[in-house]
Amino acid sequence: GESVGLHLPTLSVQEGDNSIINCAYSNSASDYFIWYKQESGKGPQFIIDIRSNMDKRQGQRVTVLLNKTVKHLSLQIAATQPGDSAVYFCAGEARSSSASKIIFGSGTRLSIRP
Amino acid sequence: EAQVTQNPRYLITVTGKKLTVTCSQNMNHEYMSWYRQDPGLGLRQIYYSMNVEVTDKGDVPEGYKVSRKEKRNFPLILESPSPNQTSLYFCASGNKGSQPQHFGDGTRLSIL
Repeated sequence: GESVGLHLPTLSVQEGDNSIINCAYSNSASDYFIWYKQESGKGPQFIIDIRSNMDKRQGQRVTVLLNKTVKHLSLQIAATQPGDSAVYFCAGEARSSSASKIIFGSGTRLSIRP
Repeated sequence: EAQVTQNPRYLITVTGKKLTVTCSQNMNHEYMSWYRQDPGLGLRQIYYSMNVEVTDKGDVPEGYKVSRKEKRNFPLILESPSPNQTSLYFCASGNKGSQPQHFGDGTRLSIL
């Protein structure tokens, strides 16, 4: 069946280093992808998105890369800080005028070493 | 402040006792949805609504009902809750389509 998954359930990085969180998807019809951050006890928060007609998008300290050939996207966080500790989800959406199919990955927990 | 509000935040109840989790958004969003979050499974969509009086099943709709009588509210109804519906539930809303979404802070349901 269709799936969106993350390569690693946990990731530990040194404070100040860059973090790379990966995600793979199976549905070729997915045309919009989003990364969410979920802190403990809270709902997911939108970080950055990318449409399938792009292969890179940058935000503040974050970059998303999309490789449609291998159905893979990644989230890069520059100069990782303690406040970046959270679970990160990717989500893929295939949308028509009348329906929306959204699939979330299971999440990667990012922890920061001082 | 723009927000999605869920109530209750926590509930422990027994099998078969009907319950409703309310969800309200103050952003005039057309799109609203419900998810459940279980360890190792991520977020799975239960139901969504693309506008008032328009609702559709997500990936795991069995055992749940929803209604969308007005734009701001999207309650989740469990007519006869069972222990396998013990989970963390999130309501979300979106502007101009389904993504990106604003999520509530979650409702933790325990069905005994």
